[in-house]
Amino acid sequence: GAVVSQHPSRVICKSGTSVKIECRSLDFQATTMFWYRQFPKKSLMLMATSNEGSKATYEQGVEKDKFLINHASLTLSTLTVTSAHPEDSSFYICSAPFSGDTQYFGPGTRLTVL
Amino acid sequence: AQSVTQLGSHVSVSEGALVLLRCNYSSSVPPYLFWYVQYPNQGLQLLLKYTSAATLVKGINGFEAEFKKSETSFHLTKPSAHMSDAAEYFCAVSVPNFGNEKLTFGTGTRLTIIP
Repeated sequence: GAVVSQHPSRVICKSGTSVKIECRSLDFQATTMFWYRQFPKKSLMLMATSNEGSKATYEQGVEKDKFLINHASLTLSTLTVTSAHPEDSSFYICSAPFSGDTQYFGPGTRLTVL
Repeated sequence: AQSVTQLGSHVSVSEGALVLLRCNYSSSVPPYLFWYVQYPNQGLQLLLKYTSAATLVKGINGFEAEFKKSETSFHLTKPSAHMSDAAEYFCAVSVPNFGNEKLTFGTGTRLTIIP
């Protein structure tokens, strides 16, 4: 099957610091990965599409300079939350497509900004 | 643009009873449809998917869903609920896009199983 991992699973940071979250496809290559944000007891909101070798595509309303995305290889995408503030606290989930039409999701990263 | 409506943010059923979670979609082109399950503090696990093959789709853990174009529905069912089915369930829609299909999620349905 298709396995997607995320690291770290939980992170607590102080306001104003930057946090990097990694998303890896463990047993397949992914030229595209997706980053979602999930608020408590809410649905997933697509933030951006990460493209290997090129710039990420951000959804409307998502700050590009706040949420930096890098897709360094065919198995790794990173999301960096820059100058984090308490309102950035959330559950961040990545996904990667496998077998063309199906997204496989990572286990998520819980970010808490104090 | 696509959209998904999940009727009922909370559903409670007794253990052994039928599970029915409702999902209606809107799409201007033939869609792909998915059901995902999420356990607390975890990512999403694919239950089943419809991608223009058989309209009755069987998934993992005894779940199945039927694509009904005339009703624009993709309801999720399971004949007999188990305690381990308690979780959040999300219906999602996408359209074919050469492997870059973006998912649009419904708001989710929290399933509670009553012993």
